[in-house]
Amino acid sequence: EADIYQTPRYLVIGTGKKITLECSQTMGHDKMYWYQQDPGMELHLIHYSYGVNSTEKGDLSSESTVSRIRTEHFPLTLESARPSHTSQYLCASSYAYGEQFFGPGTRLTVL
Amino acid sequence: GENVGLHLPTLSVQEGDNSIINCAYSNSASDYFIWYKQESGKGPQFIIDIRSNMDKRQGQRVTVLLNKTVKHLSLQIAATQPGDSAVYFCAETPIQKAAGNKLTFGGGTRVLVKP
Repeated sequence: EADIYQTPRYLVIGTGKKITLECSQTMGHDKMYWYQQDPGMELHLIHYSYGVNSTEKGDLSSESTVSRIRTEHFPLTLESARPSHTSQYLCASSYAYGEQFFGPGTRLTVL
Repeated sequence: GENVGLHLPTLSVQEGDNSIINCAYSNSASDYFIWYKQESGKGPQFIIDIRSNMDKRQGQRVTVLLNKTVKHLSLQIAATQPGDSAVYFCAETPIQKAAGNKLTFGGGTRVLVKP
């Protein structure tokens, strides 16, 4: 089991609410990633970070934002949730190259 | 654009038989490939990887084959078990510093193991 954690695992929230999805890893990885995945579909990279104070947008445009103040922590924030944000959000981390280790995911439903 | 894709969305296999999952990629710069397994309600889990200087790599009950000529990757699972039921994804990245280890995932193949 990889040491990467996501909270909450499930979140149901109303339109317009601000939410933060938490992701932490204890492996000392410099690189961290956020993916969005609809059920049974491929993963789309929405944010990544090469290290502290380094964040970049991914291939899929997202209204979410991220921060990387500490190596182990990479939270994702939605300022105003909408039903179109309903999806599963997966966090991952890696060394410089190679395998990415994934967390269990947060399943978000926006009503 | 560059993409990684799978031929079959669903594969139904009898318990004990071998499974083969295929993946095509189009980025000629790709030189590192990974297979992930994702069970329901969980994040993807690493199965096996292969670099472009290899044609074949074996793990425990799994074998990955890489054909660079036709840009094709496959995952073979020997003696498929009920616990192998999951969605399988291939992913690729060029091992270049500029690439930053960003993986490109293909669409998944669901494997259903029949008892």
